[in-house]
Amino acid sequence: RKEVEQDPGPFNVPEGATVAFNCTYSNSASQSFFWYRQDCRKEPKLLMSVYSSGNEDGRFTAQLNRASQYISLLIRDSKLSDSATYLCVVNQAGTALIFGKGTTLSVSS
Amino acid sequence: DTGVSQDPRHKITKRGQNVTFRCDPISEHNRLYWYRQTLGQGPEFLTYFQNEAQLEKSRLLSDRFSAERPKGSFSTLEIQRTEQGDSAMYLCASSLATSLRYNEQFFGPGTRLTVL
Repeated sequence: RKEVEQDPGPFNVPEGATVAFNCTYSNSASQSFFWYRQDCRKEPKLLMSVYSSGNEDGRFTAQLNRASQYISLLIRDSKLSDSATYLCVVNQAGTALIFGKGTTLSVSS
Repeated sequence: DTGVSQDPRHKITKRGQNVTFRCDPISEHNRLYWYRQTLGQGPEFLTYFQNEAQLEKSRLLSDRFSAERPKGSFSTLEIQRTEQGDSAMYLCASSLATSLRYNEQFFGPGTRLTVL
């Protein structure tokens, strides 16, 4: 079983749509959680940290369910510029980040 | 630009040659990480430094790989006797470890290695 699993997609949505990505992780000792965004042939960029209480940043909402070991990212009112790969990331002891394979989003006009 | 920088951005080499990559972290960050990413995969952890001490190495880091961070600032990653399977994007990241709980890491643009 992979440590971090994501649906690879691709998710193809029209502008303005709401899209949700899900992620599960296997190690219950995981302590911190993130979503990174990666554009084609670029480096991953931190999109948001995911807190136990859930958190929102503009059009983006992240949720964490520790009991189910499940993380989600919701994007509302999708823009063309949201097209990218979204990486679910967990961290166990403040050192190595463990990445999922990523979910590809394509937003079209 | 005060972000993480990496040099070179691209490297093409022949199998069996040695290559060395450099990473300059964000200046106040005391932790520095190396990752490798191949097509269709997420980045995979290779090694990590806190200041000049190398504290963790992945099993992915074979004996042909060595990393240093001699003064606790920039780091180098050397690959000896390169193999075609070493072709990948090598990413460096840095973080400020004031808390173990949220270890937000910031990535450089990567060095894309192609071994012919």
